[in-house]
Amino acid sequence: QKEVEQDPGPLSVPEGAIVSLNCTYSNSAFQYFMWYRQYSRKGPELLMYTYSSGNKEDGRFTAQVDKSSKYISLFIRDSQPSDSATYLCAPREEAGGTSYGKLTFGQGTILTVHP
Amino acid sequence: KAGVTQTPRYLIKTRGQQVTLSCSPISGHRSVSWYQQTPGQGLQFLFEYFSETQRNKGNFPGRFSGRQFSNSRSEMNVSTLELGDSALYLCASSLAWGGYGYTFGSGTRLTVV
Repeated sequence: QKEVEQDPGPLSVPEGAIVSLNCTYSNSAFQYFMWYRQYSRKGPELLMYTYSSGNKEDGRFTAQVDKSSKYISLFIRDSQPSDSATYLCAPREEAGGTSYGKLTFGQGTILTVHP
Repeated sequence: KAGVTQTPRYLIKTRGQQVTLSCSPISGHRSVSWYQQTPGQGLQFLFEYFSETQRNKGNFPGRFSGRQFSNSRSEMNVSTLELGDSALYLCASSLAWGGYGYTFGSGTRLTVV
């Protein structure tokens, strides 16, 4: 079983829809939770990060972490065709952890927002 | 400011050869990480360098190695290439070791034939 599980989709939604992307993880040492977006033929770009459990909002994007259930979510409101990309969750250990600095990526969810 | 620069963008090598990939981090960034991306395995951590020292290493065979220079530029080397090494190799830089603000380059697409 992988440390981070993410449904690869693909996910296709109409413009304006609310999108929910999710990951589960097994490593209790994960404390930082990143979401990256990757367009075709490009490297991943950091969208948001959260520390420990809780919510964080940035414009149309909201990240949620529930450490008790080891569940990570990213919500996209009012989705746009330009949001079409692969979304990757990437948790990380805190300083002092045996794998500090290493991002453990989920498989990525392919999202298409059609006009 | 300039982003993370990886060279070359594309590379075709023959099985058994060795290859060196280069990464120039964002100016001022001292940490460089390398990842391998394949359709089957996704993004997998290779190693991270900070201040010319390898700080962490992923579960890859010893054929995969890297180094970092005093100007923070990094290279990774793969010896005795295998067909399964065909992948997109991504470099990411950060201000410090373990920073959460990793910025990725566009990668080097390696094809082993």
